[in-house]
Amino acid sequence: QSVLTQPPSASGTPGQRVTISCSGSSSNIAVNTVHWYRQLPGTAPKLLIYSNNQRPSGVPDRFSGSESGTSASLAISGLQSEDEADYYCASWDDSLNGLVFGGGTKLTVL
Amino acid sequence: QVQLQESGPGLVKPSETLSLTCTVSGDSMSGYHWSWIRQSPGKGLEWIAYISNSGTTNYNPALKSRLTTSIDMSKNRFSLKLTSVTAADTAVYYCARGSLSYSYLRGSQLTLDYWGQGTLVTVSA
Repeated sequence: QSVLTQPPSASGTPGQRVTISCSGSSSNIAVNTVHWYRQLPGTAPKLLIYSNNQRPSGVPDRFSGSESGTSASLAISGLQSEDEADYYCASWDDSLNGLVFGGGTKLTVL
Repeated sequence: QVQLQESGPGLVKPSETLSLTCTVSGDSMSGYHWSWIRQSPGKGLEWIAYISNSGTTNYNPALKSRLTTSIDMSKNRFSLKLTSVTAADTAVYYCARGSLSYSYLRGSQLTLDYWGQGTLVTVSA
């Protein structure tokens, strides 16, 4: 069981906007920033969002992150077929003194 | 372009020690926190540990008693040893470059910006 909670699946049609939630607690998301990683099938995870809402160079602005209290969200607008992947949130946990991940959300583009 | 490559045995017997090395190319290892993450088949990601260029380490509490990490700056590589492995340790093991920071406003963050392709380690007799 993961420290951060994500819905196991999400879906949308091309062009739609979808959001993926990530729920944590007072020892992680409430006090530390959230990062999002995308994992395409058979590949290594890739940093998508860091520091709650910052995009690394090369990540399109269709991807955005937000955080409030003990929860965070990843939003993907203008959904494309190549967005089909697993998405993971992560945050530092002060109680565990380590990095914790969500269980991952499998995004399907219908 | 920073590149990381994991190497090590793909098969380890139960109760033995899993040993992996990550070789870094394309940039200096200074100033970063070099991390290990694993993913059991069909499962999510689990952070294992990090080691800094100065040798500072931080381990996942659930694995700490079995873990050792080391770094060799002269050879641009860092390593992981996990002792007394069981089938539960079967996973794809990734190495990654991490940036660790703390601020009053944002708290702590470990950002993993470059990852290796991963290597599958199976624990089986």
